[in-house]
Order: sequence, then C-alpha cells, then structure tokens
Amino acid sequence: QITLKESGPTLVKPTQTLTLTCTFSGFSLSTSGVGVGWIRQPPGKALEWLALIYWDDDKRYSPSLKSRLTITKDTSKNQVVLTMTNMDPVDTATYYCAHRRAYCGGDCPGDFDYWGQGTLVTVSS
Amino acid sequence: SYVLTQPPSVSVAPGKTARITCGGNNIGSKSVHWYQQKPGQAPVLVIYYDSDRPSGIPERFSGSNSGNTATLTISRVEAGDEADYYCQVWDSSSDLFGGGTKLTVL
Repeated sequence: QITLKESGPTLVKPTQTLTLTCTFSGFSLSTSGVGVGWIRQPPGKALEWLALIYWDDDKRYSPSLKSRLTITKDTSKNQVVLTMTNMDPVDTATYYCAHRRAYCGGDCPGDFDYWGQGTLVTVSS
Repeated sequence: SYVLTQPPSVSVAPGKTARITCGGNNIGSKSVHWYQQKPGQAPVLVIYYDSDRPSGIPERFSGSNSGNTATLTISRVEAGDEADYYCQVWDSSSDLFGGGTKLTVL
C-alpha cells in the first residue's frame, strides 16, 4: 500500500525559505518510471504543479517558479524534500506530494495516483 | 506555454449525466488525467490515460479525448459526486493542471 505524508512548518515569514519533506512508503524511488511530485493549492483556488523528481534523479520544475525551487531525494530514507526560497504571502497554500507513475522509462507523461494528505503553509509576518 | 481551460462550474440533477470539459490546443495528442477533490481532502485520480479507470472508481466515470477537447463524463450522477474536478496533462517536461470545475448536484 502506497502512502505519502508531508511535513514541515505551518507558518513562515516573508523572505524566508520553506523546506518541506515528503516521507513515503509502499514504493521505491529507485524503480524505473517512478517519480514524486509536489503540487500546491492556495485556499479556494486551483491545483498548481511545482516540481517533480524521477527515480534516476532527473528533476523538473514549474517554469514560473523554477528560480525558487529545489527538489531532492533520499532513497535510503524514502524521502523527497522541496525547498522554496523567498516566500511571500501569495505562497500561502496547502502543499501536497504525490506518487507519479510515468508511461515510459523516462521524462514523459504520467499521472499522480497516490497523494499525501497535504500540509497548510501560511506565509505571514 | 500550454493552457488548459475548464468551465468554472457545471450543474446536474441526480441521475442525469454530467460532462466536464478540458480544452487545450490539440489536446487529443496528449494523455489527459482527471482528479476529483472533495472539500478538505486530497485529490483522487478518477481517470487516467484519457479513459482508463483506476481500481475502485465506479464505471459511471468515463473519459474521452479528441481534437481540442477532453471530456470527463459522469453517468447517473449521485450526490456524492459533488466535488471539484481537475484535468492534468504533461507538456514540455512539465505537469499542468486545469483551473478546475465545481460540479454541483442539484
């Protein structure tokens, strides 16, 4: 059974760096085709894809946020970490991590078939 | 950049058929996935690869994709289907979500 859980601060101040950890079980991030993505959702708004890391450590970022994001993985700990710099109140959102399965063995289309419960991050001074 | 367009809202009476669209330039050439999100919950995958259903998703949920429009169809709508629905595609090595559609069951 695949499970994912996000952890990190619930409150950050403007200009600070946010670090979120996704701890997962039920799959290995060293299996070909597997990825873990981060998606966020501001209150009352739509889902927004942020970043993705593949089993082979290939990484993809949202073009609009690329300069602020870093995604890494620790396969031995079954964790994926997302950092976002220079936080702003508009970054207030629920942040989700999700298991992504790809339809090929590389950078290609895929879906998010398992999601964490999400963690609400508020940016305020 | 690629844009996915969904109607903000769709309303349907119980027992009827709801159709939620996702528009994009030549979206028929892409794989489209659909998610259901109920208030306070994480999204759930209901359709993947245009028209496949994950295990546990009722057969009432189906999908199609052609030309510039992908469609999620929910037959015999129930009160429990009331939720936000999002389409998702992969384009230029990025995942992308539509703006979401709120399905209201009258």
